[in-house]
Amino acid sequence: GENVEQHPSTLSVQEGDSAVIKCTYSDSASNYFPWYKQELGKRPQLIIDIRSNVGEKKDQRIAVTLNKTAKHFSLHITETQPEDSAVYFCAAREGGADGLTFGKGTHLIIQP
Amino acid sequence: DTAVSQTPKYLVTQMGNDKSIKCEQNLGHDTMYWYKQDSKKFLKIMFSYNNKELIINETVPNRFSPKSPDKAHLNLHINSLELGDSAVYFCASSQFWASGGAMTDTQYFGPGTRLTVL
Repeated sequence: GENVEQHPSTLSVQEGDSAVIKCTYSDSASNYFPWYKQELGKRPQLIIDIRSNVGEKKDQRIAVTLNKTAKHFSLHITETQPEDSAVYFCAAREGGADGLTFGKGTHLIIQP
Repeated sequence: DTAVSQTPKYLVTQMGNDKSIKCEQNLGHDTMYWYKQDSKKFLKIMFSYNNKELIINETVPNRFSPKSPDKAHLNLHINSLELGDSAVYFCASSQFWASGGAMTDTQYFGPGTRLTVL
């Protein structure tokens, strides 16, 4: 089955700086890679996703890049703000009705 | 107008009991899921289900069983609860569609049910 590794487990950045979270996956058949943000006590919420036919996708301050050859994808957050503080999860899925295989999460801390 | 809802929000019970968690989605989605989030925040798929197919994660004990009375509901039944079952359980749903080169099957999560087994 799919295995997703996520690094780092904790990331502390100064407000206004950029944050990068990296994930690798094992199953070359995976074709969908979402990123979820989870605030304390809340549900995971999708912030951006990318499919295997696209190398990069951007939505305002958030971008995701995908390298299919290396089985690697990353989340980039620019101009970080205090409300970006949360746990971020990457995930991968082969398709159809498969569930998501999640990474172990990154606790992002934005220092004022 | 809650998209994916779960009841109860909190569930405290004794070891050995049988309990159920209910999930409902009003998005018209055709696929629903159950995830378990343990104390280390690790999210793991337990089941995915549409009206034709149930996919079970092989690591899930058979004490756990999903029951779908209709397309909008996927309930989770747990028999003979154990201490290690304590976790937050999230229901999710999705619907695949493709149009004009774009496609989506975003999974939307419910608010979670915190299960504590004493």
